[in-house]
Amino acid sequence: EPEVTQTPSHQVTQMGQEVILRCVPISNHLYFYWYRQILGQKVEFLVSFYNNEISEKSEIFDDQFSVERPDGSNFTLKIRSTKLEDSAMYFCASSGPNHNYEQYFGPGTRLTVT
Amino acid sequence: AQTVTQSQPEMSVQEAETVTLSCTYDTSESNYYLFWYKQPPSRQMILVIRQEAYKQQNATENRFSVNFQKAAKSFSLKISDSQLGDTAMYFCAFCPGNQFYFGTGTSLTVIP
Repeated sequence: EPEVTQTPSHQVTQMGQEVILRCVPISNHLYFYWYRQILGQKVEFLVSFYNNEISEKSEIFDDQFSVERPDGSNFTLKIRSTKLEDSAMYFCASSGPNHNYEQYFGPGTRLTVT
Repeated sequence: AQTVTQSQPEMSVQEAETVTLSCTYDTSESNYYLFWYKQPPSRQMILVIRQEAYKQQNATENRFSVNFQKAAKSFSLKISDSQLGDTAMYFCAFCPGNQFYFGTGTSLTVIP
């Protein structure tokens, strides 16, 4: 069964550094998403991406964040200058091609900012 | 505004018994999906069951079933014959099509 994959599974970085989290969505999907879960809290929506542009973003997704689909398979989340409060689990999801109700989640990347 | 409420932060159940986790949501959308996700200590999000709002019939997946009450905006999860491996956080989620909205979760412990 096709699945969403994410790399790395765990990333440790120092405050102020840039990080790029990578996702490979399911191959025929057209809608892509990033979510964040701070330890002990609920999963929160960050951004959705369709047709090579952001279709929706939350208040959390400020100028420190950016997303990109650099080729036909990868979908990346970049955090320009990490802060301690960016430490969280980051989930990528994808859906489509016919509708975006059923989002398939990747296993997540645990980001630790020290 | 779209909200999802899970009013039970923690629950426990004896192995082999049945437990029901509650979830309510608020939306003005008429078509949407509802989901229950299981999150073990690995923190991976594992889909347990999904329900399409336009379907009257409650979804069932082996030992897991839902009680979907659309008018009441209620979507509870019933776990039958609880197993030790069911111990995890359970998140209720609602998707009107653009993004998922998650509840705060219920921590379920299955007691041997």
